[in-house]
This record gives sequence, structure tokens and C-alpha cells, in this order.
Amino acid sequence: QSVLTQPPSVSAAPGQKVTISCSGSSPNIGDNYVSWYQHLPGTAPKLLIYDNNKRPSGIPDRISGSKSGTSATLGITGLQTGDEADYHCGTWDSSLSIVVFGGGTKLTVL
Amino acid sequence: EVQLVESGGGLVQPGGSLGLSCAASGFSFSSYAFHWVRQAPGKGLEYVSAIGGTTYYADSVKGRFTISRDNSKNTLYLQMGSLRAEDTAVYYCARVAGQTVTNLHFDYWGQGTLVTVSS
Repeated sequence: QSVLTQPPSVSAAPGQKVTISCSGSSPNIGDNYVSWYQHLPGTAPKLLIYDNNKRPSGIPDRISGSKSGTSATLGITGLQTGDEADYHCGTWDSSLSIVVFGGGTKLTVL
Repeated sequence: EVQLVESGGGLVQPGGSLGLSCAASGFSFSSYAFHWVRQAPGKGLEYVSAIGGTTYYADSVKGRFTISRDNSKNTLYLQMGSLRAEDTAVYYCARVAGQTVTNLHFDYWGQGTLVTVSS
């Protein structure tokens, strides 16, 4: 059972927009910054978003992040088949004093 | 180019031991903290251990796993003992970014190494 809650799967057509939610509580998302990772099985996870809404160099602006209260959202517009992957949210938990993650969301581009 | 490459995974019997390595290149290894993070089959990512100036462990591995680093070899290690079936997972090393724990995140990860604990 992951500390952060994500939907197991989302899907959308190529060119469309999708959002992935990440729900937590006060000691984690409520008090700290959220990051998002893209992960294709067998490869290294890739940082997409940090500090709730910042993109590392090389991440396109069709990928966005936001946070409100104890929930965060990853948005991807202009979906491409190459976006099919698992997406994980993560943050620090001030109560547990560890980094915590969501269970991951599998994105399917139909 | 920043690279993290894990090795050492494999099949081990319950109660056995295994040592993982994470070879780093392309940056000043000694300047960074690192985590080991694992993903069990069908599950999400899970914190295992961390090393910066001090070492930290998840409760589930405390007393059984030991994290260490050799800055002269640019290598991170995880020595795992008293292994259990529930330790079966892909183990990733990840470089810590962020100035404090409040904005802790991981800017580079390895590709992972599979540890299977089974008789």
C-alpha cells in the first residue's frame, strides 16, 4: 500500500490531453514539493517535474505539474505513442522522515 | 553524460545475502547523496536506504541491509542480508537533487538490477 494514491491506469488518444492525479496528506504533499517520474520497464526512471511544476532541461513544455493542498497533478498534452509508460509521483514525508511514492499510473495512448 | 549503472542482482535463497553496486560516471560523485529505491513486481516505488553524510534505512530493511559508498571508485553499494521473499524487487540507485528534504527529488536513476529471493 503506497503512501500516495494514484490511479492505476489512464488512457487517451494521440494528440489529446491526459492528467494523472497524486493524492496524499498534510505531512507529505501538503508540506513538501512533489516530483514526477516517467518509467518504461527495464529502463531508468526519468525526472519529468520537480518542485511541483518545474521541468528539468530537455523536458518539453507539453508536460506540466501542479499542486493544490494535499494533491498534485501531472498533465501531458499532445499525447504521443512514445508517452506510453508508467508515471510515479514522489515527495518527502515529514512524519515518516522518508521519501514516499505513489503506486504508479500506466498511461496508454490508444 | 551522467550515468548510474547497477549490478549484482540475481537469485538468492531466503536467508541469504547479496551485494549490489551502482557505478557512477559523468559527475563529481562525492558531492551528491544517493538513495536505493526498489520496485516489487506489480507495486510502486519504495524507499530502501539513503546515504549522504549519514546513512538511513527503511524500517523494513533496518538491521539487514547496509548502504555504503567508495568515493575513490565512484561507486555506491547495498549489502543485503537475511533476505526475505518480500525483498524481491528491481533495485534502483538514484542521485538526490534538491537543497533540502522539502524539495528532495531524484534527477538521475540507474536502469535497475533484479533481486529474486526464492527457494
